[in-house]
Amino acid sequence: QSALTQPRSVSGSPGQSVTISCTGTSSDVGGYNYVSWYQQHPGKAPKLMIYDVSKRPSGVPDRFSGSKSGNTASLTISGLQAEDEADYYCCSYAGTYTLVFGGGTKLTVL
Amino acid sequence: EVQLVESGGGLVQPGGSLRLSCIGSGFTFTSYSMNWVRQAPGKGLEWVSYINSNSRTIYYADSVKGRFTISRDNAKNSLYLQMNSLRDEDTAVYYCAREGGVGWELLVWGQGTLVTVSS
Repeated sequence: QSALTQPRSVSGSPGQSVTISCTGTSSDVGGYNYVSWYQQHPGKAPKLMIYDVSKRPSGVPDRFSGSKSGNTASLTISGLQAEDEADYYCCSYAGTYTLVFGGGTKLTVL
Repeated sequence: EVQLVESGGGLVQPGGSLRLSCIGSGFTFTSYSMNWVRQAPGKGLEWVSYINSNSRTIYYADSVKGRFTISRDNAKNSLYLQMNSLRDEDTAVYYCAREGGVGWELLVWGQGTLVTVSS
């Protein structure tokens, strides 16, 4: 149950696009199409932004998109806005009813 | 409104025990699997435990296996986490989270309850 690997930080200016990567193994990210992404603002609970690699829950702007290639999943945020500044966590099903999270990425909107 | 509310956190000495509770409202609690996820101060999220809707399937992270016990009482719309033999490294905000009902996503989260293990 090793954590998925994410960059510690990314940044972008308003209106730009940023991509956050999430690297796992064939036992988690690469083995299942059950990658989800969570946004967490300071002092708040996480919020689901993407599930099943690329699906958006109701209410999540279409500026947020997800994809996967092999053992690496990605979250892309286009048209960056100030309120997007937060920590982002990827999560993958890892088999036998277990989940594994990434270490988290701090997004700074410049 | 769909909601999860945790309680039971607090300060406990190493080796001690604590029981967390999570009450669900605004949805049919019996229809969903539930999870506990924790976050140490300044650290990332860590999945802790899973329980399916009828309590027949239960799993734990290796870090808590043998020390923590997840359970639920569907009649009370409640989820629990019994934590024994607590260690300093168990200090964290503990969140209960409900599945989305599609894959393995965690759609609904509580506000969290802080557990501090310290002498």
